[in-house]
Amino acid sequence: YELTQPPSVSVSPGQTARITCSGDALPIQKAYWYQQRPGQAPLVVIYKDIERPSGIPERFSGSSSGTTVTLTISGVRAEDEGDYYCQSTDSSGTLYIFGGGTKLTVL
Amino acid sequence: VQLVESGGGVVQPGRSLRLSCAASGFTLSSYDMHWVRQAPGKGLEWVAGISYDGRNENYADSVKGRFTISRDNSKNMLYLQMNSLRREDSALYYCAREGAVAAFRYWGQGTLVTVSS
Repeated sequence: YELTQPPSVSVSPGQTARITCSGDALPIQKAYWYQQRPGQAPLVVIYKDIERPSGIPERFSGSSSGTTVTLTISGVRAEDEGDYYCQSTDSSGTLYIFGGGTKLTVL
Repeated sequence: VQLVESGGGVVQPGRSLRLSCAASGFTLSSYDMHWVRQAPGKGLEWVAGISYDGRNENYADSVKGRFTISRDNSKNMLYLQMNSLRREDSALYYCAREGAVAAFRYWGQGTLVTVSS
């Protein structure tokens, strides 16, 4: 089972970045998004497809449609640059899977 | 919440290594725990998970039969016993604690394992 993400996304400051993640089990298993800045441990920015943890800016949002989930970052800032990983589980819910990661570049 | 990994280092292919994760700031026995690794310049890979009471373990196919996750709640410690190590096991190994929002809510800073002859 795999989760597929684009390798890279580039946007200018203030623009909207959208990062997709596709997987066959996503209609039945929730997705999570993690931000990883260079040299740092990952940080969850979206959980259960659409929820935002406390302390995460409102410009981060998530959506889901069928086998694809999307992380949207509105009004992108330079500090948002980094790698973003989607994560879910297989259909049984016992094995955890990460997508290959998407490098967000703020031009 | 603080998670501090240790035990990494350079090891020859086929040898063994045990990683440790010291947990503090919370009651370890209340939470499922995981090991996640990241090869240099590569993405995240879940390795293994263990239930709060140690009764259930799950492993990625890539390590099943070679790695064993365990915990000692009385000592606030999580472990990863790695046997028959391969070059492709070289990575930064993170321990992670579940939270209300995600399976990997809190992370340590990782311990580096290099498998090389």
